[in-house]
Amino acid sequence: QSVLTQPPSASGTPGQWVTISCSGSSSNIGSNTVNWYQQLPGTAPKLLIYINDERPSGVPDRFSGSKSGTSASLAISGLQSEDEAEYYCAAWDDSLNGVIFGGGTKLTVL
Amino acid sequence: QVQLVQSGAELKKPGASVKVSCRASGYTFATYGIAWVRQAPGQGLEWMGWISAYSAYTNYAQKLQDRVTMTTDTSTTTAYMELRSLRSDDTGVYFCARVFNSPTSGWHYFEYWGQGTLVTVSS
Repeated sequence: QSVLTQPPSASGTPGQWVTISCSGSSSNIGSNTVNWYQQLPGTAPKLLIYINDERPSGVPDRFSGSKSGTSASLAISGLQSEDEAEYYCAAWDDSLNGVIFGGGTKLTVL
Repeated sequence: QVQLVQSGAELKKPGASVKVSCRASGYTFATYGIAWVRQAPGQGLEWMGWISAYSAYTNYAQKLQDRVTMTTDTSTTTAYMELRSLRSDDTGVYFCARVFNSPTSGWHYFEYWGQGTLVTVSS
């Protein structure tokens, strides 16, 4: 059971706006930054959002991140078929003294 | 460009050890750390720990700290992860990733990833 809680699945049609939530606690999201990773089927994860809301170069501005208190969200606007993937949130946990991942959210583009 | 290239697939028997390598290129190796993340078949991501390539400082996940050792060789810009006393539930894909770590800021994230190494534990 993951310490960070994500919905197991999400879906949307092309062009729609979709959000994925990530709920934690004071020892992780509440006191450290949140990062998001995208994993396309059969490939290695890729950094999508770091330090809560920063995008690495090359990541489209359709992807955005936010954090409030002990929760974070990933938003995807203008959904595209190539966005179909597994999305993971992650944060440092001060109690565990390590990185924790959410269980992952499988995004389906209908 | 930054590249992390991992060693090939491994098949091991229960109780054996495995050592996976991760060769880095395209950046100053000692400036960053290397983390190891694994993924069991059909499951999510699990952080195993990380090592600073500058100081060799290591930080292992509590559940693995008795069985895992992470090392680096700065002369070949290669990181290694050894897992001992393998069990069937250690089967999965093992990824290395370059770490950006700034503990004073609470920043710790994985910028670049290796392609993954499949480790199968079976008798």
